[in-house]
Amino acid sequence: EVQLVESGGGLVKPGGSLRLSCAASGFTLSRDTMHWVRQAPGKGLEWVSCISSSSSYIYYADSMKGRFTISRDNAKNSLYLQMNSLRAEDTAVYYCGGGNDYGDYVMGAWGQGTLVTVSS
Amino acid sequence: QSALTQPASVSGSPGQSITISCTGTSSDVGTYNYVSWYQQHPGKAPKLMIYDVSNRPSGVSNRFSGSKSGNTASLTISGLQAEDEADYYCTSYTSSSTLVFGGGTKLTVL
Repeated sequence: EVQLVESGGGLVKPGGSLRLSCAASGFTLSRDTMHWVRQAPGKGLEWVSCISSSSSYIYYADSMKGRFTISRDNAKNSLYLQMNSLRAEDTAVYYCGGGNDYGDYVMGAWGQGTLVTVSS
Repeated sequence: QSALTQPASVSGSPGQSITISCTGTSSDVGTYNYVSWYQQHPGKAPKLMIYDVSNRPSGVSNRFSGSKSGNTASLTISGLQAEDEADYYCTSYTSSSTLVFGGGTKLTVL
């Protein structure tokens, strides 16, 4: 069974940093472009970033550029999101998604999400 | 990149068909056949329902179908069932090599 499990969320003060992780099981994450998507409380889904299978291509939503860094360790079957200079508006559930061989722009599998709360 | 435009809500009775629209621009939906649809029940992670405009992943009911005309993509659910009640989101690849989501549509099964 394909499974993605996020971790690393929590409460952080404005201006602080947090590193999210996403561990894959049941499939080889290294073959797929992987994404981070977030959802603020009571709001819709917002695409955050993606990274190609070999890390050759990395893209970010405009509001995250310069503050967030996506990376992956294919040997560990894991995906990461380093978030710096966090703001209250970054408060959201963060999901990792991708895989299942539907293509680079499709999130065939999703994790359960990890909550990031930015508050003083 | 502006969000794709979806109706905030749609509703239908069991057995009926409904269609959810997703309007973008020539920089996303209008140019690329990389439109996907996701279903999200309250408190749950999203689930892929349609990819590449009209393809259904294995395991998704054939009551779900997708199409596109110009800058607007559509998701149609036929034979509505109570379990279809959820939020639905479209997403498209863009000319900036990013993805953009729609604002989401709440489907109510009456």
